[in-house]
Amino acid sequence: ILNVEQSPQSLHVQEGDSTNFTCSFPSSNFYALHWYRWETAKSPEALFVMTLNGDEKKKGRISATLNTKEGYSYLYIKGSQPEDSATYLCASYRLMDTGRRALTFGSGTRLQVQP
Amino acid sequence: GAVVSQHPSRVICKSGTSVKIECRSLDFQATTMFWYRQFPKQSLMLMATSNEGSKATYEQGVEKDKFLINHASLTLSTLTVTSAHPEDSSFYICSAWNGGNTEAFFGQGTRLTVV
Repeated sequence: ILNVEQSPQSLHVQEGDSTNFTCSFPSSNFYALHWYRWETAKSPEALFVMTLNGDEKKKGRISATLNTKEGYSYLYIKGSQPEDSATYLCASYRLMDTGRRALTFGSGTRLQVQP
Repeated sequence: GAVVSQHPSRVICKSGTSVKIECRSLDFQATTMFWYRQFPKQSLMLMATSNEGSKATYEQGVEKDKFLINHASLTLSTLTVTSAHPEDSSFYICSAWNGGNTEAFFGQGTRLTVV
């Protein structure tokens, strides 16, 4: 994989449902994988910065796992609430083919939680 | 978390004029500033990466003479859209980063409309 890809593009769930999203990224020259939450009319805010293969991080009802060898990360939300409605972005920090290090983003997963 | 202030939040300008967007990190020193552009219903597209005191590195397809980036200090980066045209109308957002495995902090974004 050459770019950061996220799926699904959008998701509608009912309050109380658990859900998960996928982020795929180039596994070569990998330094870190970031997850951000972007609520409407606000700035994106970091949820997790993950670096180690097999790492799992948790913040309240949200958790994330990382597989650097195969280049993917999952974000889980347990018992979704309406306030979880946002766009969730992942970003890969890696050494690019140009020799530069860059933080590049996926297209995001737009989550809508219905009360 | 750290605060990144981006101004203006909205700007309307006439075609052919130039617009400057400022991005300030208020409580930490940002060694790297990223500038992104977001087209409707699309992801954050990295335009350029700037490191304090050096020239910005532009992504492929981004005109460096049109999108002038200055990163004169560890707390301020500016993006100037020169000779703006309607196709430059977009949402521009900056991100300040201290490198390594730390999170990036985003400005509020600037909605540019060129008429």
